[in-house]
Amino acid sequence: GQNIDQPTEMTATEGAIVQINCTYQTSGFNGLFWYQQHAGEAPTFLSYNVLDGLEEKGRFSSFLSRSKGYSYLLLKELQMKDSASYLCAVRSTGGFKTIFGAGTRLFVKA
Amino acid sequence: NAGVTQTPKFRVLKTGQSMTLLCAQDMNHEYMYWYRQDPGMGLRLIHYSVGEGTTAKGEVPDGYNVSRLKKQNFLLGLESAAPSQTSVYFCASTSRMGGDTQYFGPGTRLTVL
Repeated sequence: GQNIDQPTEMTATEGAIVQINCTYQTSGFNGLFWYQQHAGEAPTFLSYNVLDGLEEKGRFSSFLSRSKGYSYLLLKELQMKDSASYLCAVRSTGGFKTIFGAGTRLFVKA
Repeated sequence: NAGVTQTPKFRVLKTGQSMTLLCAQDMNHEYMYWYRQDPGMGLRLIHYSVGEGTTAKGEVPDGYNVSRLKKQNFLLGLESAAPSQTSVYFCASTSRMGGDTQYFGPGTRLTVL
């Protein structure tokens, strides 16, 4: 079967660094995505990993370990506007379907 | 370039009524998807399409039907709405290229009374 686990909620302080973890079990793996979703809005793409290692994009970085079925999203220099849900998603082999985790709600406080 | 659009944005139905949600994309994407999002459950795939004239079932297809008569449009139908179908529905599309992200529409908030 397929399963994606991530924490339900996290709280962090403005200017700090936060790491959101994601573990997954899938029958086939063809890439892992992170999306950001503000309340009442559609998800928007943040990052994509298909090989092991760290991908950095500005204040956001994403890490993947395929052997451990593990990824994390790292947000640096947190801003109030980073308060949102962060969705971890795994694309299956064949590229047709993507399975989403339930999302992690991040609250950034002043 | 409008991206992915969905109509309607909001709808209230009574149990047993039918309706169709329309998704349109202008990016010439081959793949299109319908998801529902419920509190605490993330996005769940209802149906998807890998090209014009083809559709396939996702994780939660029961009670829904879809059609992809044109490449740019993907329709989601509810033949007899039930309260359990109260949800936010998102359409998404992506190209055939590996690594391409899914582009999401703004969502449709559906309430079934």
